[in-house]
Amino acid sequence: NAGVMQNPRHLVRRRGQEARLRCSPMKGHSHVYWYRQLPEEGLKFMVYLQKENIIDESGMPKERFSAEFPKEGPSILRIQQVVRGDSAAYFCASSPGGGSGYEQYFGPGTRLTVT
Amino acid sequence: GESVGLHLPTLSVQEGDNSIINCAYSNSASDYFIWYKQESGKGPQFIIDIRSNMDKRQGQRVTVLLNKTVKHLSLQIAATQPGDSAVYFCAEKENDYKLSFGAGTTVTVRA
Repeated sequence: NAGVMQNPRHLVRRRGQEARLRCSPMKGHSHVYWYRQLPEEGLKFMVYLQKENIIDESGMPKERFSAEFPKEGPSILRIQQVVRGDSAAYFCASSPGGGSGYEQYFGPGTRLTVT
Repeated sequence: GESVGLHLPTLSVQEGDNSIINCAYSNSASDYFIWYKQESGKGPQFIIDIRSNMDKRQGQRVTVLLNKTVKHLSLQIAATQPGDSAVYFCAEKENDYKLSFGAGTTVTVRA
């Protein structure tokens, strides 16, 4: 059973461009979480999605950031008009359910560099 | 080797010694805690968890201790090995799904 897959692993964007980060959850998992990790810091929760639904986006910046998890295909984290402060590692996690008893399995992350 | 205080960013430990990594959490209502290991270039990997109705939980070479009175969590690694070199994070579950991570402690194992 393949783990959580994220691509690309590394992404370089110039200021003002768009970044699209993809996450394929583990097989059988319908719950996806996105976290952001700034250098030498812990992960910060961004958004929690189920298929076709955003459950909690309280950690997402109000502007330029959006996330989706369509019925078919991977979850996408989209950052429009990137700025240098968006440079970070973005991790996706998935779980088979959304309750407190479900462990979140993390992907390898996408490292975004904004030049 | 042991990290002391609220948080020590780095811990250097001799191979074969025991490691103790400390973590303070903020929310007295938190009832579920997890330790993660993150190796360079990888995502966090689950090590061990503990619920607030327990004081101690043991896994393979690892033990987590929870002191709810002072809101303190520790991870003990027995007989530290080179493969244990990584950044270790404690995390608390704010609700059913939202994990709140500490800043992390970098463990370096000396041969």
